Amino acid sequence: QKEVEQNSGPLSVPEGAIASLNCTYSDRGSQSFFWYRQYSGKSPELIMFIYSNGDKEDGRFTAQLNKASQYVSLLIRDSQPSDSATYLCAVEERNRDDKIIFGKGTRLHILP
Amino acid sequence: GAVVSQHPSWVICKSGTSVKIECRSLDFQATTMFWYRQFPKQSLMLMATSNEGSKATYEQGVEKDKFLINHASLTLSTLTVTSAHPEDSSFYICSAEKGLAGGFVSEQYFGPGTRLTVT
Repeated sequence: QKEVEQNSGPLSVPEGAIASLNCTYSDRGSQSFFWYRQYSGKSPELIMFIYSNGDKEDGRFTAQLNKASQYVSLLIRDSQPSDSATYLCAVEERNRDDKIIFGKGTRLHILP
Repeated sequence: GAVVSQHPSWVICKSGTSVKIECRSLDFQATTMFWYRQFPKQSLMLMATSNEGSKATYEQGVEKDKFLINHASLTLSTLTVTSAHPEDSSFYICSAEKGLAGGFVSEQYFGPGTRLTVT
């Protein structure tokens, strides 16, 4: 059973600080990794994807991937109240027609 | 861009009736679309994978005769909830897969969701 694990939170971070969201996955052969943001009552929105080991930066967001440790993270710098949402980690399952497996999500709360 | 629309955004229906939900990729072609269901405060649950021109692939525990999926074109997939019951009330979300240059990574873009309430 391939799994994507996230801490459900809530993770509370002061405004302006760095929020760090973590995710582990079980399928060592996974190649593509995604972070989605979901506001309450809304559908998920793709923030970033990463498929190479290391860091990938886009604005205030940095995704980090370590395939050896089967670990992917998302850093949000200068956290804003509008960043308060549930963040879903997703992993593309190998050999399954691009099926993506989602973690249960981490609720992030930015404290004003 | 990559825009996916869903229609309707919400629907209320009586128990025993059928409801059709449309998912459209507006500015790209999607060979593959996915249908998810999400109950309050729970994570996304993949229901089925919809491939253009072929039968949908359903996840374990999802009744294919109850949740009919049609992917008639590269920009449209439909989900029909047949003989709906109150326990089918949920947030139904579709996503469409957009391949990136080089073909190595593809991204899923989500529609805004359809909130179904069965009375």
